[in-house]
Amino acid sequence: EIVLTQSPATLSSSPGERATLSCRASQSVDRHLAWYQQRVGQAPRLLIYDASNRATGIPARFSGSGSGTDFTLNISSLEPEDVGVYYCQQRSNWPPLTFGGGTKVEIK
Amino acid sequence: EVQLVESGGVVIQPGGSLRLSCAASGFTFDDYPMHWVRQGPGKGLEWVSLISWDGDTTYYADSVKGRFTISRDNTKNSLYLQMNSLRPEDTAFYYCVKDLGPAAIEAYFDYWGQGTLVTVSS
Repeated sequence: EIVLTQSPATLSSSPGERATLSCRASQSVDRHLAWYQQRVGQAPRLLIYDASNRATGIPARFSGSGSGTDFTLNISSLEPEDVGVYYCQQRSNWPPLTFGGGTKVEIK
Repeated sequence: EVQLVESGGVVIQPGGSLRLSCAASGFTFDDYPMHWVRQGPGKGLEWVSLISWDGDTTYYADSVKGRFTISRDNTKNSLYLQMNSLRPEDTAFYYCVKDLGPAAIEAYFDYWGQGTLVTVSS
């Protein structure tokens, strides 16, 4: 089973600042990685798939990069509605499909 | 607009059985693989099961294999999860989730329902 480790556990930034979230895989997943946002009390929402492809309707301030074992989600200019927990997920070697433990994004 | 509406979540005793349902609309249901993903209260996400568009192929997480059965009825645009031998660790919100790709399994999740809560407790 591929284990995904996300860091930091919590990220606190000011509005307008850049936020960088990390996801590391226990073995190579090539570019088969997605990112999801989950706001409080809501279901998750797909942001990025195949490491860098934005999903339908996702603002351009969200971008993904990486390959192999190290991946990054960048939010170029943080907005109040970006508060929530962000999860990465791999589909390289499954079953099982696995998620990271999440990074909580807060606004200062 | 894609809509996925889960139902069937209850409080149930350990060892009990339960069937969750998901009503899908706003897309061609029988074109897409479908998943169940769960989330314990205050916890992270755990993939549970996947069914192909035609229902012929299914996959399960080891934690539920042999106890849970995923199925679908394409004539009713509905997805199901039969849950047997329930354990306290099965307590979670269960989300019905649409796969990204038509026909082929893309194994990314592009639309989620709001979830139904299953609580396993004596």
